[in-house]
Amino acid sequence: GQSLEQPSEVTAVEGAIVQINCTYQTSGFYGLSWYQQHDGGAPTFLSYNALDGLEETGRFSSFLSRSDSYGYLLLQELQMKDSASYFCAVRAPGSARQLTFGSGTQLTVLP
Amino acid sequence: NAGVTQTPKFQVLKTGQSMTLQCAQDMNHEYMSWYRQDPGMGLRLIHYSVGAGITDQGEVPNGYNVSRSTTEDFPLRLLSAAPSQTSVYFCASRPHVDTGELFFGEGSRLTVL
Repeated sequence: GQSLEQPSEVTAVEGAIVQINCTYQTSGFYGLSWYQQHDGGAPTFLSYNALDGLEETGRFSSFLSRSDSYGYLLLQELQMKDSASYFCAVRAPGSARQLTFGSGTQLTVLP
Repeated sequence: NAGVTQTPKFQVLKTGQSMTLQCAQDMNHEYMSWYRQDPGMGLRLIHYSVGAGITDQGEVPNGYNVSRSTTEDFPLRLLSAAPSQTSVYFCASRPHVDTGELFFGEGSRLTVL
């Protein structure tokens, strides 16, 4: 099976940089995704890493190290609206490559 | 495009009742799935489909049934509701197997009394 670990809570101040880590265990690896979910809302896709390295999308970046089974989401220039839950997810082995999600990290941005 | 549409958004059931959560997508995506989300937890996969007429079980399939008669629709049926099925249910789709991007519906909040 698959398992993912990420911190349950992270707090930072507006304008700061925060890193949310994710370690995973899976019998076959096909990529690591990140999703954002505001309270009462649906998860929305942020980024996807299939290969090692850094992917940048505006204020958000995602990093993957397959040899360490580790990735992180980096949020820069934090804004109040970034307060949300962030989930990492791996694509599972099997022909359908369904996504398995971590338990999520609640990010609180303080003024 | 409406994307992924789920109905109803809220539902209250009594133990033992049955109901169907509807999910439709207009993006011609082959892959559709149902997840449930409980407080403080991530999303757990209930059932999924890789195309019309093909469905399979996910991590937590017991008490649920699905069918996929068309590419657009993927309903989730609760056969005999139990309080343990109180949760928020999300339907999601993606265009092909080699993507980590899921498109989610807005969710259906179900309470079983």
